[in-house]
Amino acid sequence: EIVLTQSPGTLSLSPGERATLSCRASQTVSRNFLAWYQHRPGQAPRLLMYGASSRATGIPDRFSGGGSGTDFTLTISRLEPEDFAVYYCQQYASLPRTFGPGTKVEVK
Amino acid sequence: QVQLVESGGALVKPGGSLRLSCAGSGFTFRDYYMTWIRRAPGKGLEWISYISGSSQTIFYADSVKGRFTISRDNDNNSVHLQMNSLRAEDTAVYYCARALPPNFYAYLDFWGQGTLVTVSS
Repeated sequence: EIVLTQSPGTLSLSPGERATLSCRASQTVSRNFLAWYQHRPGQAPRLLMYGASSRATGIPDRFSGGGSGTDFTLTISRLEPEDFAVYYCQQYASLPRTFGPGTKVEVK
Repeated sequence: QVQLVESGGALVKPGGSLRLSCAGSGFTFRDYYMTWIRRAPGKGLEWISYISGSSQTIFYADSVKGRFTISRDNDNNSVHLQMNSLRAEDTAVYYCARALPPNFYAYLDFWGQGTLVTVSS
């Protein structure tokens, strides 16, 4: 099983600041089959990125993803009020599919 | 547009059973793998199970294997999760999600709002 670790657990930032979230895998995620999701309280999770660096339909370009192998990042260039949420990475390269524990981006 | 609506969540006693349903619309349901994921209180997301469009490919997480059964009805655009021998640790919001692209290596591009299952005496 691929274990995903996310850091930091909580990121306290102000609107307009840059957020950098990390996702580390316990083994190589083949073909960079890694996705990022945003989850706001009481809402359905939303796909942000797939294939580590491809933005999903309708996702603003302030979101970007990168990395390969075992180390991946999600960057939000300038935080908007609606971006304060929990972010999860997930690998879909092998079974069982696994999620990271999440990074909460909160208002400082 | 794509919509997924879960139903069937309830309060159930330990050892009890529950059947969740997820109705899909706005896409050709039979063409897509469908997935169930849950989020327990204070915890992160946990992938539970998925099923291929033809129901030929099914996988479960170890935490639910032997207790939960996924199935689908393509004529009615729905996917189900039969949950037996429920435990307190099964308490969670259960989400269904569509997997894209429609093959084994798929991410989850649309999610429902979730349905709450509480296992408690």
